[in-house]
Amino acid sequence: ELKVEQNPLFLSMQEGKNYTIYCNYSTTSDRLYWYRQDPGKSLESLFVLLSNGAVKQEGRLMASLDTKARLSTLHITAAVHDLSATYFCAVDGTDKLIFGTGTRLQVFP
Amino acid sequence: NAGVMQNPRHLVRRRGQEARLRCSPMKGHSHVYWYRQLPEEGLKFMVYLQKENIIDESGMPKERFSAEFPKEGPSILRIQQVVRGDSAAYFCASSPPAPRETQYFGPGTRLLVL
Repeated sequence: ELKVEQNPLFLSMQEGKNYTIYCNYSTTSDRLYWYRQDPGKSLESLFVLLSNGAVKQEGRLMASLDTKARLSTLHITAAVHDLSATYFCAVDGTDKLIFGTGTRLQVFP
Repeated sequence: NAGVMQNPRHLVRRRGQEARLRCSPMKGHSHVYWYRQLPEEGLKFMVYLQKENIIDESGMPKERFSAEFPKEGPSILRIQQVVRGDSAAYFCASSPPAPRETQYFGPGTRLLVL
């Protein structure tokens, strides 16, 4: 059974700092997604990573995928308050997405 | 191009009543997925449908829950005889017909069972 773990579960960080969220998964998959969810809202697609070594960047967020290590990272550079949200990674489990537990990020001044 | 639409956005039911959740996929999308999110948790897959077919229902509880995606009209997730534990946010996602395309999520229906 495919399992996806994220850490940390909660992250409180100061504006301007850098940090990395980790996503580990238990079985082989070559497709990984990162989503953002604001409180009471739906999921917004951030990145789709399709191959080993894939790296994508959008603004202050950068995602990477290592399929051999079964690990994806979401790196936050110089955090700002607008990045406060819950971030989910999800692995393609053959016609369905298997989600991690989520990382609740709070950025404070 | 309108996104995935779900209604109602909020639904309150008393224990024992029925809940019907609707999902209209994005234009051109023929695959629909339902996920459930319990408070403070991630999303859990429930069912995957194509028009008039259930492809994978491995995440759906065996009793009280059913889903359909008719030839015409929205996909329906139906919960009979709701219990308090059914309180959750139910998200629908859709994707194009090509294999393994990105899923786009609707705004969700928040079900509260009193």
